[in-house]
Amino acid sequence: QVHLVESGGGLVKPGGSLRLSCAASGFTFSDYYMSWIRQAPGKGLEWLSYISSSGTTIYYADSVKGRFTISRDNAKNSLYLQMNSLRAEDTAVYYCARVGGYSSPLGYWGQGTLVTVSS
Amino acid sequence: EIVMTQSPATLSVSPGERATLSCRASESVSSNLAWYQQRPGQAPRLLIYGASTRATGIPARFSGSGSGTEFTLTISSLQSEDFAVYYCQQYNNWPRTFGQGTKVEIK
Repeated sequence: QVHLVESGGGLVKPGGSLRLSCAASGFTFSDYYMSWIRQAPGKGLEWLSYISSSGTTIYYADSVKGRFTISRDNAKNSLYLQMNSLRAEDTAVYYCARVGGYSSPLGYWGQGTLVTVSS
Repeated sequence: EIVMTQSPATLSVSPGERATLSCRASESVSSNLAWYQQRPGQAPRLLIYGASTRATGIPARFSGSGSGTEFTLTISSLQSEDFAVYYCQQYNNWPRTFGQGTKVEIK
């Protein structure tokens, strides 16, 4: 079955960088679009970014545009989120999710990885 | 950006009763609307997509309706495992946006 496992979270100082990974299994990764979503402690869900199956089409939320970069390696069945210039308000659980297509919902989610930005 | 507004923020319901949750979009999203359930300490899971289609494995007591700007999620007879937070999300425009969530709690 579909399995998504995020990793790479942790404690980082303001202004620092972190790279999250999402390992996919149970489906043909290269056939699917993927997204990152986050949830600040006690808050709602915030959509962050989307990447097409080939990696050629990418979208970002304004809140992370210019600081975060989504990418994928279809040979490794992996999705990434490079996060730079981190701020306290980036503290959240970060989820990766599989998207069925260009106009599709977030069909399957990983369990998330916690990123804490604090000095 | 399309703003999604959910109401009420909290819904107190007794087990076995019906729950009706609302989601409004600031502009039309056609039927490109999904509902997600998030239980405490868990990741969200997809319940409804296309405004009214249940995702795989979702019980028939969950139903969705609406199109354009007004949407409803109905849980016909609440079970203990249904007490959770529910989010709507539009996937018609970029950026994709979520509502702020409705918490369904035990009355």
